[in-house]
Amino acid sequence: QKEVEQNSGPLSVPEGAIASLNCTYSDRVSQSFFWYRQYSGKSPELIMSIYSNGDKEDGRFTAQLNKASQYVSLLIRDSQPSDSATYLCAVNMANSGYSTLTFGKGTMLLVSP
Amino acid sequence: DTEVTQTPKHLVMGMTNKKSLKCEQHMGHRAMYWYKQKAKKPPELMFVYSYEKLSINESVPSRFSPECPNSSLLNLHLHALQPEDSALYLCASSQSPPGLYSNQPQHFGDGTRLSIL
Repeated sequence: QKEVEQNSGPLSVPEGAIASLNCTYSDRVSQSFFWYRQYSGKSPELIMSIYSNGDKEDGRFTAQLNKASQYVSLLIRDSQPSDSATYLCAVNMANSGYSTLTFGKGTMLLVSP
Repeated sequence: DTEVTQTPKHLVMGMTNKKSLKCEQHMGHRAMYWYKQKAKKPPELMFVYSYEKLSINESVPSRFSPECPNSSLLNLHLHALQPEDSALYLCASSQSPPGLYSNQPQHFGDGTRLSIL
């Protein structure tokens, strides 16, 4: 069974702190990794894509990928209350000749003022 | 503002009704997707259209019938649904269809919240 694992949380951080969200995946041939933010009652919003080992930064967000360890993470610097949401890790996984995005169950982030 | 537009935003229907969900994108994307999402669960893939052809059906019951009239439009026809089909239905699109090992990012619409009475 191909899986994407995330800690469900909630992860609570104070405003201004760094939030660290982690994700592991089971399919070692996966090449595409995404982080989505989903506010309660809303649809997922793409915030980061990463394809190569290392770090990728976009504003306050940094995605980190380690394919050898099958691990991807998202760091949010200077966390704001508006960052409070569920963060979904998504990994493409091959299934009988095609690949689809497999989502983790999401980590709920709570940023307190 | 999302570049993938879904209508209606909310839909309440009886188990004997027939209704359709609509999705539109004008980004020139060649792959479109339907997902179902229950509360506090991740999205579950239902269908994938690649270049307007159905390429993936994740063993979805026949009471859900997808249609892709052109490269910008995707419909999901609903008939004889069950109460357990109540969920948020999400449409997404990506620039190119899923590859074997790599995917372009998918962009989601705001979804249709469906309630079956």
